[in-house]
Amino acid sequence: DAKTTQPTSMDCAEGRAANLPCNHSTISGNEYVYWYRQIHSQGPQYIIHGLKNNETNEMASLIITEDRKSSTLILPHATLRDTAVYYCIAENYNQGGKLIFGQGTELSVKP
Amino acid sequence: NAGVTQTPKFRILKIGQSMTLQCTQDMNHNYMYWYRQDPGMGLKLIYYSVGAGITDKGEVPNGYNVSRSTTEDFPLRLELAAPSQTSVYFCASSRRTGTDTQYFGPGTRLTVL
Repeated sequence: DAKTTQPTSMDCAEGRAANLPCNHSTISGNEYVYWYRQIHSQGPQYIIHGLKNNETNEMASLIITEDRKSSTLILPHATLRDTAVYYCIAENYNQGGKLIFGQGTELSVKP
Repeated sequence: NAGVTQTPKFRILKIGQSMTLQCTQDMNHNYMYWYRQDPGMGLKLIYYSVGAGITDKGEVPNGYNVSRSTTEDFPLRLELAAPSQTSVYFCASSRRTGTDTQYFGPGTRLTVL
């Protein structure tokens, strides 16, 4: 599985867009990029995933660069409840669904 | 539909004791997983199962055992508890691998003294 690199922490003002970057320069062609988040010691929660194309759902948008070496998770209008640790994970579709969690980015949304 | 449930929520063990962490899912998912999370760290996979009767090791299996006799249940056994096993344990399930999302339980906080 490709290693991912994320900033340790970020701040965002409430109501503004939160843009969380992730580098995955060694990602292979059959590895998807997943984003999960963990709110204060709860179980992680799935946010979004993608392979090549940009993706959007009710929670967030995922922008993947054309060379697939990096991606950005966008929370369009961050709220205080979005304060959490966000994990970017590159996972091989064919390897049993095992998620390798790094240390993630601690996002603090401030009023 | 309760999703993934775990019991107990909290437990304190003495060194050398044993215990079983229970995990049940009611979504008829084939895949189930056990992770541990040490303070300030990401989750690490202990064991996983792709269906009843089939289990395999993850990144950190030493000191743990699992079984999967039914689709719903995936218990994690600690035989000889050690302080290094103090952690929060999360169980998860997914319908299949690949692009299917994993649903996590609320966790069990274990302290070994």
